[in-house]
Amino acid sequence: DIVMTQSPDSLAVSLGERATINCKSSQSVFYSSDNKNHLAWYQQKPGQPPKLLIYWASIRESGVPDRFSGSGSGTDFTLTISSLQAEDVAVYYCQQYYSSPPKTFGQGTKVEIK
Amino acid sequence: EVQLVQSGAEVREPGESLKISCKGSGYNFTNYCIGWVRQMPGKGLDWMGTICPSDSTAKYSPSFQGHVTFSVDKSISTAYLQWSSLKASDSAIYYCARPVDHGGNYYFDYWGHGTLVTVSS
Repeated sequence: DIVMTQSPDSLAVSLGERATINCKSSQSVFYSSDNKNHLAWYQQKPGQPPKLLIYWASIRESGVPDRFSGSGSGTDFTLTISSLQAEDVAVYYCQQYYSSPPKTFGQGTKVEIK
Repeated sequence: EVQLVQSGAEVREPGESLKISCKGSGYNFTNYCIGWVRQMPGKGLDWMGTICPSDSTAKYSPSFQGHVTFSVDKSISTAYLQWSSLKASDSAIYYCARPVDHGGNYYFDYWGHGTLVTVSS
């Protein structure tokens, strides 16, 4: 199985400041046949199901604010919230969809307001 | 509007069986697979597997293979997750979700609200 490791496990950021979450895969999730990184990011607020934010490592899902951005390639990826808003308090997960089952998630990163 | 509506919370004793459901609407149910994701209390997301209504082909995570069964009824646009003998460690929220591609190999773009399963004696 591909292991996805996020860092940090939690972070506290002041309103309006930048939040950066890292995700590292145990093997590359770049698929040469389609030239894409098979990596997604989700946001989960308390009591709610996860919500897709980013796919193909850097493509923002429709309706997601542009303060959210994804970057990286191969084994190292980053989700950045450029200016943290109160409504961004949540747990964020990366997921690889490169491998045969299972298509594993990271352990999650909890984002709070400082 | 795409919706995945899951069945309500369940309470069972260890050793009992259970079948929970996920009904899709707002899209052609046969054209997209359905995935299942477990979230144990206070924990992260575990990818369990997918089932494709077109041919009922199921793919299971090795961690769940043999302990759960996926099924689907195309006639009522509903997917099912079932256990024949529950354990206390099966207590969790179970989400169904729709993979964005027809083969079920990619990320999930729509999620159900989750079904809370509690297994306790």
